[in-house]
Amino acid sequence: DAKTTQPTSMDCAEGRAANLPCNHSTISGNEYVYWYRQIHSQGPQYIIHGLKNNETNEMASLIITEDRKSSTLILPHATLRDTAVYYCIVRPNSVNTGTASKLTFGTGTRLQVTL
Amino acid sequence: EAGVVQSPRYKIIEKKQPVAFWCNPISGHNTLYWYRQNLGQGPELLIRYENEEAVDDSQLPKDRFSAERLKGVDSTLKIQPAELGDSAVYLCASSLGTSGRYTDTQYFGPGTRLTVL
Repeated sequence: DAKTTQPTSMDCAEGRAANLPCNHSTISGNEYVYWYRQIHSQGPQYIIHGLKNNETNEMASLIITEDRKSSTLILPHATLRDTAVYYCIVRPNSVNTGTASKLTFGTGTRLQVTL
Repeated sequence: EAGVVQSPRYKIIEKKQPVAFWCNPISGHNTLYWYRQNLGQGPELLIRYENEEAVDDSQLPKDRFSAERLKGVDSTLKIQPAELGDSAVYLCASSLGTSGRYTDTQYFGPGTRLTVL
């Protein structure tokens, strides 16, 4: 599985955009980039995923570089409720649904949103 | 629509005692996962079910851990006997599990926090 590298922690002022980087230099051509977050005492929450095009949903935007070796999750207007650990995951993509289904979590980025 | 339901939310037991966790996945989700999350770490997969079949249990410590999903819906994870090192959060997740879908998003429950004394 391709590994990801994320900063251990980041701070962001409320109302500002939070930009969370992720390096995945060994990603292969058909592996997806997934982002989850985990608020304290809750289970991980799905945010967004993408293959090579930029993606946007009601929660966030995902920007993937052209070479796919890195990506950035953008929370456009961070609030205190966005304080959480954010996980960037590269998910194997295979005709074998066993490997396709596995999520390998790292230690993530702890985002602290402050007033 | 209800999310993944887990119970209990918290459990405190003494070592060598048995413990069981229950999970009810999102309605219609064929695939069910159990993860374990140690303090300060990301979740790690223990076992994955496709309907009632365990298709990936390579990370499940089979000497003391067992799991079942008899009717392909809810599932139980058991530890017997529990050890101090089993203290962790046990998370259940589910996904549609449609064959051939490469982007089968997993949805997690709130987890059960186990403390073994």
